[in-house]
Amino acid sequence: DGGITQSPKYLFRKEGQNVTLSCEQNLNHDAMYWYRQDPGQGLRLIYYSQIVNDFQKGDIAEGYSVSREKKESFPLTVTSAQKNPTAFYLCASSTAGSISQPQHFGDGTRLSIL
Amino acid sequence: QKEVEQDPGPLSVPEGAIVSLNCTYSNSAFQYFMWYRQYSRKGPELLMYTYSSGNKEDGRFTAQVDKSSKYISLFIRDSQPSDSATYLCAMNTGANNLFFGTGTRLTVIP
Repeated sequence: DGGITQSPKYLFRKEGQNVTLSCEQNLNHDAMYWYRQDPGQGLRLIYYSQIVNDFQKGDIAEGYSVSREKKESFPLTVTSAQKNPTAFYLCASSTAGSISQPQHFGDGTRLSIL
Repeated sequence: QKEVEQDPGPLSVPEGAIVSLNCTYSNSAFQYFMWYRQYSRKGPELLMYTYSSGNKEDGRFTAQVDKSSKYISLFIRDSQPSDSATYLCAMNTGANNLFFGTGTRLTVIP
C-alpha cells in the first residue's frame, strides 16, 4: 500500500533541544516537501527537494534543516533556533518534473513545547 | 494582500444539501488549481486537480475555475456527514511553489 509515513505522530520539545521529524514515502516520487500548518494561516513551505542530495529553502526555512540522502526519506530537524516551533508539520511528495504536479501528504506530526 | 483568499467558515449544512466552497486569488499567472480535503488530525487528501479554466467533475464533486474573475469553486452534491472536514484550495503557476488557502471548515448535519 503506497503512501507517505510521518513519525512520530506527537512530539514534545524542551528548550534548547533539536528534534527530528521523520518522513518516508514508497510512492517512488522524486520531489518531497515540508510544510508547517498553523491555525488560520494555511500551509507554509519550509523546505523542498526535487532530487536526492539537493534541496531548497521555502518561505519559512529559518530554524529548520533537512537532508535528502535517499529518495524515500526527507527528515526535518527543528533546531533550537526556531523560537516558535509549536505547529502541525506535514510532509508531502510529488512525481518528478514540474513543481505543478499535485502533492500527496502524510498524516502529520504535531510538535509542542514542554 | 494574500495570494489566495478563502473564507474560513465554519459552514454548516444539512445532509443532502449542495455545498459551494470558494477561493479567490490575485496572481493572474496561476494555472494549476487543486482542492484538498483534510480531516481532523490528518494530512490533506487531494480531491481535484485542474489546469486553466473550466469545469471538472468527479462523482459528487465538481471543480470550477474562472480565470477571468480569479475565482475557483468546489461544489459538493448530495453532501454526506462523511464530507465534514476542512477544504483547502491550492494553486500555482507551474514554475513556483503551491499557494494554499487557509481552509474552509465544513460540517454536514445528519
